[in-house]
Amino acid sequence: KNQVEQSPQSLIILEGKNCTLQCNYTVSPFSNLRWYKQDTGRGPVSLTIMTFSENTKSNGRYTATLDADTKQSSLHITASQLSDSASYICVVPRGAGSYQLTFGKGTKLSVIP
Amino acid sequence: DADVTQTPRNRITKTGKRIMLECSQTKGHDRMYWYRQDPGLGLRLIYYSFDVKDINKGEISDGYSVSRQAQAKFSLSLESAIPNQTALYFCATSDFPPRRDRGGNEQFFGPGTRLTVL
Repeated sequence: KNQVEQSPQSLIILEGKNCTLQCNYTVSPFSNLRWYKQDTGRGPVSLTIMTFSENTKSNGRYTATLDADTKQSSLHITASQLSDSASYICVVPRGAGSYQLTFGKGTKLSVIP
Repeated sequence: DADVTQTPRNRITKTGKRIMLECSQTKGHDRMYWYRQDPGLGLRLIYYSFDVKDINKGEISDGYSVSRQAQAKFSLSLESAIPNQTALYFCATSDFPPRRDRGGNEQFFGPGTRLTVL
């Protein structure tokens, strides 16, 4: 069964601290994994995409990793800001270019002053 | 988000009422989708359309219907709303053929409609 599991479900950190969010997937066939950020009251917005051949990719203070052997990805946020408070959703399509997406339940991050 | 708009943003209705949620996009994408998001669950696909007049069921289509009147518009209807249809509803679009430089499957989401069925 195609599944995407995320942990933790929720996380509270102090402003300026770092954090790491985890994503495990069992989707097959695998082509890529995408992290979305969903602010409260808004739709998800793509942060970064990891293709099969990539191990690490950075987008500003966000760094995503992918281990295709263990089927795990992480999203590391450095020097957190209040605006990072959001839900982070891991999404894996069922095959290259597939419209069929398997969504994780998300990690709700709260950054407090 | 501004490229994909949804109306209304919030709606409270009663059991048995007919409700229509509308989605418009200016991205020029052929493919459009309706999702539902519930607390503690991932987004789930209700219906999708690859072109005008093309309609396909997703994983949770029971109790819903859709209409693709034009490339830019995709509406979702609840013929007779029930309380367990209370949720956040998102419209999304994607390009076709998939753009390799964007991973080939990026979907662009609207701001969502919060629907409450009493």
